[in-house]
Amino acid sequence: DGGITQSPKYLFRKEGQNVTLSCEQNLNHDAMYWYRQDPGQGLRLIYYSQIVNDFQKGDIAEGYSVSREKKESFPLTVTSAQKNPTAFYLCASSISSGNYEQYFGPGTRLTVT
Amino acid sequence: GENVEQHPSTLSVQEGDSAVIKCTYSDSASNYFPWYKQELGKGPQLIIDIRSNVGEKKDQRIAVTLNKTAKHFSLHITETQPEDSAVYFCAASMYYGQNFVFGPGTRLSVLP
Repeated sequence: DGGITQSPKYLFRKEGQNVTLSCEQNLNHDAMYWYRQDPGQGLRLIYYSQIVNDFQKGDIAEGYSVSREKKESFPLTVTSAQKNPTAFYLCASSISSGNYEQYFGPGTRLTVT
Repeated sequence: GENVEQHPSTLSVQEGDSAVIKCTYSDSASNYFPWYKQELGKGPQLIIDIRSNVGEKKDQRIAVTLNKTAKHFSLHITETQPEDSAVYFCAASMYYGQNFVFGPGTRLSVLP
């Protein structure tokens, strides 16, 4: 099956710890994205990557970091510098950036206490 | 930059009735307008999209209309069913290298 996977579905961390969220796609897509969703809110772009070994900050990149060493993988690290890390994190991919359909993963709900 | 507004924020309809959600965008250069459906605890899924070279697109019970002059587009769901209950997001984007700008979402409840 082709698709985009995120793991784990639920993640719990103590304040002050870094945590890495996984995102993998086997759709052969060039572009990948990370969004944050807070309860009752829309999607806010954290980071995006148009091609392997390249990534750009989105609207709310502070306190987050990413890497894109492989085409199929785009992990997101939530660092201790992120003031309000508890949220639902969504990864997406598209054949190219711009006006192409984005395919979303199932999301990871991160809770930091 | 682009700004997308979406109304209403919540919408309740009786099963079998129609539902309409409207979005406006600010940048006339936007040329791609997807609609996503998000069920509770899941990632959004594309349900229909439209490009600026057409004014309307239909897929079974779902249709999208685009008015480029007024810079707004709408999602129409006819004969609503309980499984249509979800949060719907509109978005706008332009060309290569530009990202989607999403609206804030509409929570649709279809009452049996």
